[in-house]
Formats: sequence, structure tokens, C-alpha cells
Amino acid sequence: KAGVTQTPRYLIKTRGQQVTLSCSPISGHRSVSWYQQTPGQGLQFLFEYFSETQRNKGNFPGRFSGRQFSNSRSEMNVSTLELGDSALYLCASSMAGWNTEAFFGQGTRLTVV
Amino acid sequence: ILNVEQSPQSLHVQEGDSTNFTCSFPSSNFYALHWYRWETAKSPEALFVMTLNGDEKKKGRISATLNTKEGYSYLYIKGSQPEDSATYLCASPPKAGNMLTFGGGTRLMVKP
Repeated sequence: KAGVTQTPRYLIKTRGQQVTLSCSPISGHRSVSWYQQTPGQGLQFLFEYFSETQRNKGNFPGRFSGRQFSNSRSEMNVSTLELGDSALYLCASSMAGWNTEAFFGQGTRLTVV
Repeated sequence: ILNVEQSPQSLHVQEGDSTNFTCSFPSSNFYALHWYRWETAKSPEALFVMTLNGDEKKKGRISATLNTKEGYSYLYIKGSQPEDSATYLCASPPKAGNMLTFGGGTRLMVKP
């Protein structure tokens, strides 16, 4: 079956702009989580959506937001971009529980200039 | 905040060597312990998800153990091969849901 698909793969934005990233989970997976990976911080949890509701949120400013649609596809939005937002953003889809593996997409590499 | 720590940060071994890494996590409010392998230019791939104290899991030459009472897990690779070169990540959810706290990873390089 098809894996987790993230679009776009690469993105260059200017400080102050906003950006929307998209994630299509594996068919049948209702949980979608987002992570940010930077060289200094490693993989950091942003938020998790389950059945169109935000179930968990990490310690990121309100400029980071997300949503999930009825087909489980998810988007994350970052407003008023800062240079420090340059990172690899990974999306993962899972079955419902915490004891099931996460399936990751290949990520979106965001560069803010 | 749940802190997940991994050691060593990096490891260079020769082909054929066996190796192991450590993942430490707070033992209170334990839900699960995940191991992932992340090869360069690819997506992280799940190796194991373990939930019970004393759990041992194996996939080919890779195995893992779990001690939830003392808060650690070991990942073993027997007879390392160059294709095992990757970053190995462990992660644990601090509460119910798919919210994983990752360790910093162990970068393994296997020389032919």
C-alpha cells in the first residue's frame, strides 16, 4: 500500500511569509503527527491530530498550527516565518494507539532566508 | 517533560563486528518504547515497539531488550554490515497518543 506522502519536498521562503505543508497518511491511519528536525534539537514533536481533532501539542509557539481533514490528510501552517524555522518537517501516520509504530514520510525541507 | 537519552552519539565499527546502543528514559508513566532506523535521504523506519518489562524483540540480526523498571532499552546488532549504517533513534510517548519524545540518536557507521 502507498506510504506517507508529504508535499512539497523542498521549499524556500522569506522571513515574515507563511507556509503550508501537506501530509497524506497511509490509508486507514487516523492519527497524523508532525515533527521538526533541526541539527541542534533533533526530532521535536509539534502536534498530533486524530479524527480531525488535535489530540496532543508540543512546545512550539502559536505561529505553528495544523489541521486534519475528514479523509485524514493533514496540513501544518507556519506563519510569520523566522530564520530558525528552517528545518526538516516530518509527518508520521499511525493506527490509533501509542503502542503502534509510526510510518514517516520523507519530509519537507524548509529553508527560510 | 520526558527526557529520552541515547548513548553513544556515534559509533564506528568494522564489518562483522557486533555492537549495541543504549536508550534511557524515565521509568514513571511508561507507555511504550520505540526504536527507529533512519538512513540518509530516507524516512525513519520502525524497528520495534515494546511495551512490557522484559520484552525482547528480534528482526534478523537486530534485537532489542526493555527494562521499564530501571528505564533503559538496549539495541543489539550482530555481525554489522555496511547497510546497517544509519542513525538509530529511540522514542517514548509521555502519555497516551502518538506523541513521541525522541532521543538524540546513535549514528552508526560500518566500515567494509
